Formats: sequence, C-alpha cells, structure tokens
Amino acid sequence: GDSVTQMEGPVTLSEEAFLTINCTYTATGYPSLFWYVQYPGEGLQLLLKATKADDKGSNKGFEATYRKETTSFHLEKGSVQVSDSAVYFCALSDQFQNSGNTPLVFGKGTRLSVIA
Amino acid sequence: NAGVTQTPKFQVLKTGQSMTLQCAQDMNHNSMYWYRQDPGMGLRLIYYSASEGTTDKGEVPNGYNVSRLNKREFSLRLESAAPSQTSVYFCASSANYGYTFGSGTRLTVV
Repeated sequence: GDSVTQMEGPVTLSEEAFLTINCTYTATGYPSLFWYVQYPGEGLQLLLKATKADDKGSNKGFEATYRKETTSFHLEKGSVQVSDSAVYFCALSDQFQNSGNTPLVFGKGTRLSVIA
Repeated sequence: NAGVTQTPKFQVLKTGQSMTLQCAQDMNHNSMYWYRQDPGMGLRLIYYSASEGTTDKGEVPNGYNVSRLNKREFSLRLESAAPSQTSVYFCASSANYGYTFGSGTRLTVV
C-alpha cells in the first residue's frame, strides 16, 4: 500500500539556519504530495502541495519539489524563525484510486524546534 | 465560514463507556475522514466516507463505528472505550485535493 517516510526528529536549529526535512513516498498511482504543519495545541494546516512531477510548492518561505525519479518531496526553508517551531507532516493522496477524494496518508511527523 | 467543526474538544471517559464524536463541515465537500494522532505515529486513518451514503474502513478501524448522517456530518462512535483509544482525534473533509481539518478532540480513557 501507499506509505510516506520522513526523517525522524526532533530537529533543533538556531534562528536563521537552513532547514531540510526529508520525505520519500511509495504509491501505486500518481499521487499528489503535501506538507502540513501543526503548531502546539492546534490542528493541521496545509503548508504547501504539489500535484504532479517537477511541480514546486511554496508558502511562507518553505519550498518542496515533487521528484518522481527519487520519489521524494523534501521540505526546505532558507532561514528559519522561532515561530516556525512546530511538527511537520508529509502526506500523499493517491490519484490512481479515485478522482480527488482519497484519504491522505501521513508520515510520522518531524518536530522542529528553533532557538533564538 | 467555520470549515470543519468538531465537538467536544476534550473528553475523559471511563473504560467501557461509550461516546460519539461529532464532526460537521460547511464547505459542501463530498468526502470526510476520521484520523487519530498518537505520539510518534503520525495520523492514522480510522474510517472515511468518500461520499454521502458510503463509509469505508481505514488503517485502524477496530473499536470504532461511523455514521455519515448527511453530506455535512460524519460522526465517530466508541461503543466501549478502552485505554488504547486515548488519543487526539481529527476529522477532515475534502474536495479536489483541498483537505481541511478540524481542531481536534483530545480523548482520555481511564
């Protein structure tokens, strides 16, 4: 079945450091890929997404590129802030099974702590 | 525009008690989902409803039942709560790869 593997945390960075959170996936069809963020005590918010190979999703300084050849969707940010401290989830939705309404499959999450 | 509304936000149950978690969305989405979140496990799918009138099991359905009451509402029922069901539960809805999550229900079973 479909699966998502992301780097285990926690990840601790100093403010203004470069961030990479690795994410790889296995899917039977042609998935759409997502990054969600969860701030302490809150629900999940969509950070960015990409629906086909070579697409780049971006939002709030975060970027991720859909790499079909390496089945990856790594999250990057050039300069993190304390306010970026949160848990980040990589997820996929497999287009092959249905047209648009298949459940998201999540990775286990990566906790990021940014210190001033 | 409320999005996805879950009630209650917090609940403590005794082992063996039953309860229903409520979820409603106002975005006219066809599909709705229930996930549970446990430390180090990410979000795991319990049940989902691709459209009104249909429900399907997810990865961890044991101990749960669901009802898609109408297009807006999708409830999750625990018939006999167990400590292993202590978790944070999220409801979500979707249309065209736009997934919206509720704020969660934190359930503790003692």
